[in-house]
Amino acid sequence: QQPVQSPQAVILREGEDAVINCSSSKALYSVHWYRQKHGEAPVFLMILLKGGEQKGHDKISASFNEKKQQSSLYLTASQLSYSGTYFCGTEISNAGNMLTFGGGTRLMVKP
Amino acid sequence: GAVVSQHPSRVICKSGTSVKIECRSLDFQATTMFWYRQFPKQSLMLMATSNEGSKATYEQGVEKDKFLINHASLTLSTLTVTSAHPEDSSFYICSVRDARRETQYFGPGTRLLVL
Repeated sequence: QQPVQSPQAVILREGEDAVINCSSSKALYSVHWYRQKHGEAPVFLMILLKGGEQKGHDKISASFNEKKQQSSLYLTASQLSYSGTYFCGTEISNAGNMLTFGGGTRLMVKP
Repeated sequence: GAVVSQHPSRVICKSGTSVKIECRSLDFQATTMFWYRQFPKQSLMLMATSNEGSKATYEQGVEKDKFLINHASLTLSTLTVTSAHPEDSSFYICSVRDARRETQYFGPGTRLLVL
């Protein structure tokens, strides 16, 4: 079942913060976050496996709630290079290894 | 460096012809590869799971006779779009799972345009 991402789109000024949410109706095994630039393939950002986990690098971080049904991606002090479409990919178990992707969130950072 | 390569990056063909897309895992052996399709401004939709040495597993609604998958070696999977039609025009992306890091890496994608 496809996870639900929100918002669908967001426009920021450089330096502003954004939060992108990814929700599932069932408990998940893992959540993967990707960023895709126009015309390119998605680029892996990070993976979350444990309930209550938070991780990140630079000014991009993510959390996975205790019930493992929701993840949020946090973009702080956004840069122009953060522009793109962000997808969460979810796994319901570690058996098939396949990811089901949310609808995507289009992020545009303006100067 | 790149973990996954795809070839060709772009192809234009006439309706009715077949197109083969190659996906190579460059950094590690992959018993499983995944094929996705992405239409403009839409999400990635899994088409099939390619299994080395055995038949591919297709998602519901994906015609296995139209989208032929061959996973001949631990580093190569091919997707052949047979008798392509304009509605098959899309961005086809393969991915490879790195079991050590539980991370899935995507190839650069192949943009198919069927005239």
